[in-house]
Amino acid sequence: DIQMTQSPSSLSASVGDRVTITCQASQDISNYLNWYQQKPGKAPKLLIYDASNLETGVPSRFSGSGSGTDFTFTISSLQPEDIATYYCQQYDNLPRTLTFGGGTKVEIK
Amino acid sequence: QVQLVQSGAEVKKPGASVKVSCKASGYTFTGYYMHWVRQAPGQGLEWMGRINPNSGGTNYAQKFQGRVTMTRDTSISTAYMELSRLRSDDTAVYYCARDYRGINYWGQGTLVTVSS
Repeated sequence: DIQMTQSPSSLSASVGDRVTITCQASQDISNYLNWYQQKPGKAPKLLIYDASNLETGVPSRFSGSGSGTDFTFTISSLQPEDIATYYCQQYDNLPRTLTFGGGTKVEIK
Repeated sequence: QVQLVQSGAEVKKPGASVKVSCKASGYTFTGYYMHWVRQAPGQGLEWMGRINPNSGGTNYAQKFQGRVTMTRDTSISTAYMELSRLRSDDTAVYYCARDYRGINYWGQGTLVTVSS
Protein backbone atom coordinates (compact mmCIF):
# COMPACT_ATOMS: atom_id res chain seq x y z
CA ASP A 1 0.00 0.00 0.00
CA ILE A 2 1.07 3.57 -0.64
CA GLN A 3 2.10 5.46 2.47
CA MET A 4 1.67 9.21 2.86
CA THR A 5 4.11 11.12 5.06
CA GLN A 6 2.79 14.53 6.03
CA SER A 7 4.84 17.18 7.81
CA PRO A 8 4.95 18.94 10.10
CA SER A 9 2.46 17.31 12.47
CA SER A 10 1.75 20.71 13.98
CA LEU A 11 2.75 24.32 13.48
CA SER A 12 2.16 27.67 15.06
CA ALA A 13 2.14 30.83 12.93
CA SER A 14 1.00 34.43 13.14
CA VAL A 15 -1.96 35.94 11.32
CA GLY A 16 -0.77 36.96 7.86
CA ASP A 17 2.05 34.43 7.74
CA ARG A 18 2.63 32.09 4.83
CA VAL A 19 2.10 28.50 5.92
CA THR A 20 3.41 25.46 4.06
CA ILE A 21 2.60 21.79 4.62
CA THR A 22 4.22 18.94 2.71
CA CYS A 23 3.09 15.46 1.86
CA GLN A 24 5.31 12.74 0.44
CA ALA A 25 4.03 9.56 -1.18
CA SER A 26 5.94 6.29 -0.95
CA GLN A 27 5.60 5.88 -4.72
CA ASP A 28 4.56 7.89 -7.75
CA ILE A 29 0.89 8.89 -7.52
CA SER A 30 0.89 11.34 -10.45
CA ASN A 31 -1.44 14.15 -9.34
CA TYR A 32 -3.90 11.98 -7.40
CA LEU A 33 -3.60 14.08 -4.27
CA ASN A 34 -6.27 16.04 -2.42
CA TRP A 35 -6.14 18.35 0.59
CA TYR A 36 -8.77 18.71 3.33
CA GLN A 37 -9.42 21.04 6.25
CA GLN A 38 -11.05 19.73 9.41
CA LYS A 39 -12.23 21.87 12.28
CA PRO A 40 -12.95 20.33 15.71
CA GLY A 41 -16.20 18.39 15.82
CA LYS A 42 -16.81 18.83 12.10
CA ALA A 43 -16.47 16.67 9.01
CA PRO A 44 -13.50 17.37 6.75
CA LYS A 45 -13.87 19.86 3.91
CA LEU A 46 -12.26 19.43 0.51
CA LEU A 47 -9.99 22.37 -0.37
CA ILE A 48 -7.75 21.18 -3.22
CA TYR A 49 -8.26 18.29 -5.64
CA ASP A 50 -5.87 16.71 -8.12
CA ALA A 51 -2.92 18.37 -6.40
CA SER A 52 -3.51 21.94 -7.52
CA ASN A 53 -7.17 22.60 -8.29
CA LEU A 54 -9.10 24.83 -5.93
CA GLU A 55 -12.50 23.44 -4.96
CA THR A 56 -15.41 25.76 -5.74
CA GLY A 57 -15.98 28.35 -3.04
CA VAL A 58 -12.59 27.90 -1.35
CA PRO A 59 -10.64 31.13 -0.79
CA SER A 60 -7.75 31.74 -3.14
CA ARG A 61 -5.25 32.01 -0.27
CA PHE A 62 -5.25 28.21 -0.30
CA SER A 63 -3.16 26.50 -2.98
CA GLY A 64 -1.52 23.20 -3.77
CA SER A 65 1.30 22.03 -5.99
CA GLY A 66 3.39 19.00 -6.84
CA SER A 67 3.22 15.73 -8.70
CA GLY A 68 4.77 12.32 -8.50
CA THR A 69 5.80 11.83 -4.87
CA ASP A 70 6.18 15.35 -3.44
CA PHE A 71 3.35 17.74 -2.78
CA THR A 72 2.92 21.09 -1.06
CA PHE A 73 -0.09 22.85 0.43
CA THR A 74 0.14 26.58 1.09
CA ILE A 75 -1.91 29.17 2.92
CA SER A 76 -0.57 32.44 1.55
CA SER A 77 -1.78 34.61 4.42
CA LEU A 78 -2.98 32.79 7.52
CA GLN A 79 -6.35 33.94 8.87
CA PRO A 80 -7.86 33.21 12.30
CA GLU A 81 -10.57 31.08 10.68
CA ASP A 82 -7.89 28.82 9.18
CA ILE A 83 -7.18 27.24 12.55
CA ALA A 84 -7.80 23.57 11.84
CA THR A 85 -6.15 20.28 11.04
CA TYR A 86 -5.18 19.71 7.42
CA TYR A 87 -4.90 16.32 5.72
CA CYS A 88 -3.53 15.18 2.43
CA GLN A 89 -5.14 12.17 0.75
CA GLN A 90 -3.96 10.07 -2.16
CA TYR A 91 -5.96 7.93 -4.53
CA ASP A 92 -4.34 4.78 -5.84
CA ASN A 93 -5.75 3.23 -9.01
CA LEU A 94 -4.35 -0.25 -8.53
CA PRO A 95 -5.50 -1.36 -6.04
CA ARG A 96 -8.31 1.15 -5.74
CA THR A 97 -7.55 2.50 -2.30
CA LEU A 98 -7.25 5.82 -0.53
CA THR A 99 -4.76 6.85 2.10
CA PHE A 100 -4.77 9.93 4.31
CA GLY A 101 -1.69 11.63 5.63
CA GLY A 102 -1.30 11.92 9.37
CA GLY A 103 -2.55 15.50 9.54
CA THR A 104 -1.09 18.90 10.39
CA LYS A 105 -2.60 20.92 13.21
CA VAL A 106 -2.33 24.64 12.49
CA GLU A 107 -2.51 27.06 15.41
CA ILE A 108 -2.17 30.82 15.80
CA LYS A 109 0.94 32.07 17.54
CA GLN B 1 -28.59 20.38 -2.35
CA VAL B 2 -26.49 17.30 -1.68
CA GLN B 3 -27.09 15.78 1.75
CA LEU B 4 -25.79 12.66 3.43
CA VAL B 5 -27.68 11.84 6.60
CA GLN B 6 -26.30 9.10 8.80
CA SER B 7 -27.93 6.97 11.47
CA GLY B 8 -27.53 7.78 15.14
CA ALA B 9 -24.89 6.95 17.70
CA GLU B 10 -24.39 3.34 18.74
CA VAL B 11 -22.98 1.64 21.82
CA LYS B 12 -21.81 -1.92 21.29
CA LYS B 13 -20.07 -4.61 23.30
CA PRO B 14 -16.78 -6.15 22.15
CA GLY B 15 -17.38 -8.91 19.64
CA ALA B 16 -20.66 -7.46 18.40
CA SER B 17 -21.41 -5.94 14.99
CA VAL B 18 -22.62 -2.48 14.03
CA LYS B 19 -24.39 -1.33 10.88
CA VAL B 20 -24.38 2.36 10.02
CA SER B 21 -26.65 3.81 7.35
CA CYS B 22 -26.15 6.83 5.11
CA LYS B 23 -29.15 8.26 3.25
CA ALA B 24 -28.28 10.37 0.24
CA SER B 25 -30.39 13.09 -1.32
CA GLY B 26 -30.02 15.95 -3.78
CA TYR B 27 -28.17 13.99 -6.46
CA THR B 28 -28.26 10.76 -8.43
CA PHE B 29 -27.25 8.17 -5.84
CA THR B 30 -25.92 5.68 -8.39
CA GLY B 31 -23.70 8.25 -10.06
CA TYR B 32 -20.97 8.61 -7.46
CA TYR B 33 -18.83 6.31 -5.33
CA MET B 34 -19.52 6.35 -1.59
CA HIS B 35 -16.63 6.06 0.83
CA TRP B 36 -16.52 5.23 4.52
CA VAL B 37 -13.91 6.98 6.64
CA ARG B 38 -13.48 6.75 10.38
CA GLN B 39 -11.77 8.88 13.01
CA ALA B 40 -10.88 7.60 16.47
CA PRO B 41 -10.97 10.16 19.29
CA GLY B 42 -8.12 12.64 18.89
CA GLN B 43 -6.74 10.74 15.90
CA GLY B 44 -6.51 11.21 12.14
CA LEU B 45 -8.71 10.10 9.29
CA GLU B 46 -8.71 6.44 8.26
CA TRP B 47 -10.19 5.21 4.98
CA MET B 48 -12.16 1.99 5.32
CA GLY B 49 -13.40 1.38 1.81
CA ARG B 50 -15.82 2.41 -0.88
CA ILE B 51 -18.82 1.13 -2.76
CA ASN B 52 -20.00 1.78 -6.28
CA PRO B 53 -23.73 2.33 -5.69
CA ASN B 54 -24.48 1.51 -9.31
CA SER B 55 -22.89 -1.93 -9.46
CA GLY B 56 -22.54 -2.70 -5.76
CA GLY B 57 -18.83 -3.34 -6.29
CA THR B 58 -16.60 -2.65 -3.31
CA ASN B 59 -12.96 -1.94 -2.47
CA TYR B 60 -11.86 -2.31 1.14
CA ALA B 61 -8.74 -1.21 2.96
CA GLN B 62 -6.60 -4.23 3.71
CA LYS B 63 -6.87 -3.53 7.44
CA PHE B 64 -10.63 -4.13 7.38
CA GLN B 65 -10.82 -7.01 4.90
CA GLY B 66 -12.97 -9.78 6.34
CA ARG B 67 -14.52 -7.52 8.97
CA VAL B 68 -16.29 -4.83 6.95
CA THR B 69 -19.17 -5.12 4.53
CA MET B 70 -20.48 -2.21 2.46
CA THR B 71 -23.83 -2.48 0.77
CA ARG B 72 -26.46 -0.22 -0.70
CA ASP B 73 -30.18 -0.06 -1.41
CA THR B 74 -30.70 2.00 -4.54
CA SER B 75 -34.49 2.09 -4.03
CA ILE B 76 -34.02 4.33 -1.00
CA SER B 77 -30.65 5.91 -1.95
CA THR B 78 -28.99 4.53 1.15
CA ALA B 79 -25.53 3.09 1.73
CA TYR B 80 -24.61 0.85 4.64
CA MET B 81 -21.39 -0.05 6.42
CA GLU B 82 -21.32 -3.04 8.72
CA LEU B 83 -18.30 -3.74 10.91
CA SER B 84 -18.12 -7.03 12.76
CA ARG B 85 -16.10 -8.46 15.66
CA LEU B 86 -15.88 -5.03 17.24
CA ARG B 87 -12.99 -4.16 19.56
CA SER B 88 -12.47 -1.23 21.87
CA ASP B 89 -10.16 0.41 19.33
CA ASP B 90 -13.04 0.53 16.85
CA THR B 91 -14.50 3.34 18.95
CA ALA B 92 -14.65 6.20 16.47
CA VAL B 93 -16.78 8.56 14.45
CA TYR B 94 -17.71 6.89 11.18
CA TYR B 95 -18.36 9.06 8.13
CA CYS B 96 -19.91 8.30 4.78
CA ALA B 97 -18.64 10.57 2.06
CA ARG B 98 -19.33 11.07 -1.63
CA ASP B 99 -16.57 11.01 -4.20
CA TYR B 100 -16.22 13.46 -7.08
CA ARG B 101 -12.82 14.98 -7.84
CA GLY B 102 -12.00 14.35 -4.22
CA ILE B 103 -14.40 13.58 -1.38
CA ASN B 104 -16.54 16.66 -1.54
CA TYR B 105 -19.61 15.78 0.54
CA TRP B 106 -19.58 14.19 3.97
CA GLY B 107 -22.22 12.88 6.31
CA GLN B 108 -22.50 14.30 9.80
CA GLY B 109 -20.72 11.30 11.29
CA THR B 110 -21.92 8.47 13.53
CA LEU B 111 -20.22 7.84 16.86
CA VAL B 112 -19.75 4.15 17.55
CA THR B 113 -18.61 3.35 21.08
CA VAL B 114 -17.35 -0.14 21.85
CA SER B 115 -17.34 -0.83 25.55
CA SER B 116 -18.02 -3.72 27.85
